[in-house]
Amino acid sequence: DTGVSQDPRHKITKRGQNVTFRCDPISEHNRLYWYRQTLGQGPEFLTYFQNEAQLEKSRLLSDRFSAERPKGSFSTLEIQRTEQGDSAMYLCASSPREGLSYEQYFGPGTRLTVT
Amino acid sequence: QKEVEQDPGPLSVPEGAIVSLNCTYSNSAFQYFMWYRQYSRKGPELLMYTYSSGNKEDGRFTAQVDKSSKYISLFIRDSQPSDSATYLCAMEDSNYQLIWGAGTKLIIKP
Repeated sequence: DTGVSQDPRHKITKRGQNVTFRCDPISEHNRLYWYRQTLGQGPEFLTYFQNEAQLEKSRLLSDRFSAERPKGSFSTLEIQRTEQGDSAMYLCASSPREGLSYEQYFGPGTRLTVT
Repeated sequence: QKEVEQDPGPLSVPEGAIVSLNCTYSNSAFQYFMWYRQYSRKGPELLMYTYSSGNKEDGRFTAQVDKSSKYISLFIRDSQPSDSATYLCAMEDSNYQLIWGAGTKLIIKP
């Protein structure tokens, strides 16, 4: 068990470009979460998957954000037409069970800087 | 007003001191209360969780929940420099999602 991994760890992009992040959860964890965290704030929920199904999406998530989890394994988060306000740490977490939200294991995050 | 309020600190204490970290919340429906620790440039890691009111102890860490006051605490005894991190409280809402505090930055001075 190698834990949750995220790639890349850092991404610098120019405003207007598209970016894609990858998350590999702990194997056999069927729940996968994406969060965004800015400096001095707690994680902000973006979306989560139960296997390959995207079950909930934050109302704060604009149409420029899309996430997928094909085959219920790894997940990708894409941001189109990036804006400076998208600069943040993007965290992925996985969980082995339903209804136990506290049992989330986080990856190291992808730090996005939009210039 | 945020659903979960947490003083951002920083809180600086000498090594060996007892540390008290706190959060207040407004939603009386919260039932699960969590404390996470986050080191710089790392993701949060779960320290402890508590269901409903009461105390829970794990080594040097004690979590307390007072639902009547909507107040939770994390105590760290015999604090060590390695405890220096940001401590985040989180609570589970009715949709099984976590609502997070902003985190308190803790500095333990050797």
